Amino acid sequence: DAGITQSPRHKVTETGTPVTLRCHQTENHRYMYWYRQDPGHGLRLIHYSYGVKDTDKGEVSDGYSVSRSKTEDFLLTLESATSSQTSVYFCAISENRDRAYGYTFGSGTRLTVV
Amino acid sequence: SQQGEEDPQALSIQEGENATMNCSYKTSINNLQWYRQNSGRGLVHLILIRSNEREKHSGRLRVTLDTSKKSSSLLITASRAADTASYFCATEYAGNNRKLIWGLGTSLAVNP
Repeated sequence: DAGITQSPRHKVTETGTPVTLRCHQTENHRYMYWYRQDPGHGLRLIHYSYGVKDTDKGEVSDGYSVSRSKTEDFLLTLESATSSQTSVYFCAISENRDRAYGYTFGSGTRLTVV
Repeated sequence: SQQGEEDPQALSIQEGENATMNCSYKTSINNLQWYRQNSGRGLVHLILIRSNEREKHSGRLRVTLDTSKKSSSLLITASRAADTASYFCATEYAGNNRKLIWGLGTSLAVNP
């Protein structure tokens, strides 16, 4: 999607290994979010950021950490991947806290933990 | 669960017909948003309707909000095969954290 890219698009990793997913935006939006999408659960918020070095936990943050050292990059790290973290991960951005224009989503990263 | 709930879970119609899907929620909201997701892709924002609004239009899309019933509907008129996708509602709950809660979606198939 224009203005926001996720990498990698697909990844297979082994249980117990660390994994980092990257979200890059060119919109200079303040707010960035990491979600996971699983059948039967819908989208669930993992972590979000409201500025450089300002992050907070979402509803399913256990086993994940994030970092935002620049406005344009928001990294999601699975510290020690488990099979339960097999999912599709989406990054989203929004211009302001009011979210008057909704979120812009990336195309997702499909992560498989074997 | 605080999730918004869409119904139906799945909908199959013919091209040219109208498609209506509904979203219900549980507590007071600031706004309600509708998104579309094509298979294997990210979500695309369609419409945001605020709690003090009752109806919004965007092209072939019409969204209504009934805060007394805590429900919203998305109407797609004159559907096309390209409208085939999953549609999600997301509600921003009123309160300090303004949390966004997502429903499980309605899967729409528009048959040529």
